[in-house]
Amino acid sequence: DAGITQSPRHKVTETGTPVTLRCHQTENHRYMYWYRQDPGHGLRLIHYSYGVKDTDKGEVSDGYSVSRSKTEDFLLTLESATSSQTSVYFCAISVEDPGANVLTFGAGSRLTVL
Amino acid sequence: KQEVTQIPAALSVPEGENLVLNCSFTDSAIYNLQWFRQDPGKGLTSLLLIQSSQREQTSGRLNASLDKSSGRSTLYIAASQPGDSATYLCAARGYSTLTFGKGTMLLVSP
Repeated sequence: DAGITQSPRHKVTETGTPVTLRCHQTENHRYMYWYRQDPGHGLRLIHYSYGVKDTDKGEVSDGYSVSRSKTEDFLLTLESATSSQTSVYFCAISVEDPGANVLTFGAGSRLTVL
Repeated sequence: KQEVTQIPAALSVPEGENLVLNCSFTDSAIYNLQWFRQDPGKGLTSLLLIQSSQREQTSGRLNASLDKSSGRSTLYIAASQPGDSATYLCAARGYSTLTFGKGTMLLVSP
């Protein structure tokens, strides 16, 4: 997972609390993405960013917000965590979108909401 | 809406066999198709990316093909090894979306 760091890697929280996951890259890539991975659903896009302060919604954005104040950091916030948001969250980066460039993933953040 | 299907969902083979993993997609208007490998508890590692204008890509023992008109891609693994055991996912790139299949879980036994 060279160039992408996700934190925290594991988190347990309670329903109703806010949670922020951080994705940090050292590749200076323009595009950053947040996915969630769930059994039976595969990987689904939550939000993505195409530049500093430029973000857009993905397939499953309800209950999530994002921010990107610097090229290297993309934050995912669960405003009020629910049990349905228990999942593994992956950050990914790419140079261009759409295009020929490969999508590179982080190691994932496992979130459990009790 | 793009839908990506991978068959089979799971596959178990003895070491040394050649095998084929299948990926089908409903919307042929794609920019590229990417194959990933995911080990348990890990992130995804890109294996091969095929541009929409290409027919195939090769990397070592891996060969991926793409037939846009029929909405199909295959990943061929030659002379499988226990270290190839993992989940393999394909993803179809549209204009602003990347749609993943649910993966094929491969187990290669010694």
